[in-house]
Amino acid sequence: NAGVTQTPKFQVLKTGQSMTLQCAQDMNHEYMSWYRQDPGMGLRLIHYSVGAGITDQGEVPNGYNVSRSTTEDFPLRLLSAAPSQTSVYFCASSYSKQGQQPQHFGDGTRLSIL
Amino acid sequence: EDQVTQSPEALRLQEGESSSLNCSYTVSGLRGLFWYRQDPGKGPEFLFTLYSAGEEKEKERLKATLTKKESFLHITAPKPEDSATYLCAVQADNQGGKLIFGQGTELSVKP
Repeated sequence: NAGVTQTPKFQVLKTGQSMTLQCAQDMNHEYMSWYRQDPGMGLRLIHYSVGAGITDQGEVPNGYNVSRSTTEDFPLRLLSAAPSQTSVYFCASSYSKQGQQPQHFGDGTRLSIL
Repeated sequence: EDQVTQSPEALRLQEGESSSLNCSYTVSGLRGLFWYRQDPGKGPEFLFTLYSAGEEKEKERLKATLTKKESFLHITAPKPEDSATYLCAVQADNQGGKLIFGQGTELSVKP
C-alpha cells in the first residue's frame, strides 16, 4: 500500500544549485500534480499532468520544470535554486483527469535553500 | 477569480466541546469541494468530497455540509486525536483536476 512516494524527505541546497524531487505512485492514476505549501499561503499548484507525455503549468510554475515519461513517475526539477523556493513540496495523484475524484498526497519534501 | 477562505485560522477546544469549521468559496461553477486533514510533518489525508448544495457526509465525529457559498465541517464531541489542520479545497468546472486550497484551520483539542 505505497500510494504516493516522495523522495527525499529533507534537502538543503545552496542558492544556484539544481535538484530533482522525485514522486512515484503505484495506483495507475492518470492525474498527477505538484504543490508547494508555505505558512499562511495554503497549498499552491506548481505543475500538473493529465497523463504520460502531457504536462501543464499551475499557479506558480516559475523556476520549476516537470516531465512525465511514465504513468507512475512525475519528477519536479528546480533549475537554479533560490531562497524563495524554500518550502514544503507535495506531490499528489488522482484517478481521473476530469476532476471530481480526490487527490492522494505524499508526505512531502522539506526543502531549504541557503 | 476562484477563491477559498477558511475560518477561523486556529481553534482551541476542550475534549467533548463540539464546534464547526467554515470554508467559504467563490468559484464560477463548482465541480467538487474536498475536505482534508493534515497532521504535522505529513501530507493531506482525504476526508470527504461534496458535489452539490444540500449534500452531507459523515465519518465518525466529523460531518461535512455544503451550501452554494460555503461548507461546514462539524466536529461533535472531539477527542485529542482530532487535533490537526483541516484543509478545504474546491475544483471548478472546466479546470480539470486542479484544486484551489484555503489556508486551513488548525484545530487543537485539549483533554
